[in-house]
Amino acid sequence: DTAVSQTPKYLVTQMGNDKSIKCEQNLGHDTMYWYKQDSKKFLKIMFSYNNKELIINETVPNRFSPKSPDKAHLNLHINSLELGDSAVYFCASSPRDLNTGELFFGEGSRLTVL
Amino acid sequence: QKEVEQDPGPLSVPEGAIVSLNCTYSNSAFQYFMWYRQYSRKGPELLMYTYSSGNKEDGRFTAQVDKSSKYISLFIRDSQPSDSATYLCATNLLSGGYNKLIFGAGTRLAVHP
Repeated sequence: DTAVSQTPKYLVTQMGNDKSIKCEQNLGHDTMYWYKQDSKKFLKIMFSYNNKELIINETVPNRFSPKSPDKAHLNLHINSLELGDSAVYFCASSPRDLNTGELFFGEGSRLTVL
Repeated sequence: QKEVEQDPGPLSVPEGAIVSLNCTYSNSAFQYFMWYRQYSRKGPELLMYTYSSGNKEDGRFTAQVDKSSKYISLFIRDSQPSDSATYLCATNLLSGGYNKLIFGAGTRLAVHP
């Protein structure tokens, strides 16, 4: 039974298109995240939601819009895709206080923009 | 300067070798330190977590933190081919009342039979 699942696993699309990635967690966690991992494996936080409320919003282009309909779901919509958006996007969840440092990651959604 | 620096490797060792993976960090406010392991085409998973300076051991893995020099290490004894993965160090930063994890760039490790 997958703890953090995200769909789709792979997206290949043209520049200028819009795409969405969906994430769901069944761990009962309060907090969910989107991380971006570039081709050099550098993993950087983009957004975090706690119980549907946006709590962390890093310096991310406003073409990226997260949405959390409930605390078990976090989606990411990207408008007007650019070549530089090609990366693996990871959804993660954690208990509210994160004091053990444990994030539970999904398997990633690999986005390729042509 | 990145907040957490990590040599990306790749590092290639023979089976049975002792592996040393290292990170440095810049902010003395960082309190917790973690090592994540990421297999190819998978999400990272927590391997070890430490708070204080000193060593923490878990089987073949030892995490070491030296807060005075802002240096963290992961040692793998008797390395196995199944240890081949990318290892990411991470630390937490309190931001607006919430913790967020900041990761190093990851070191790719290949253990060959």
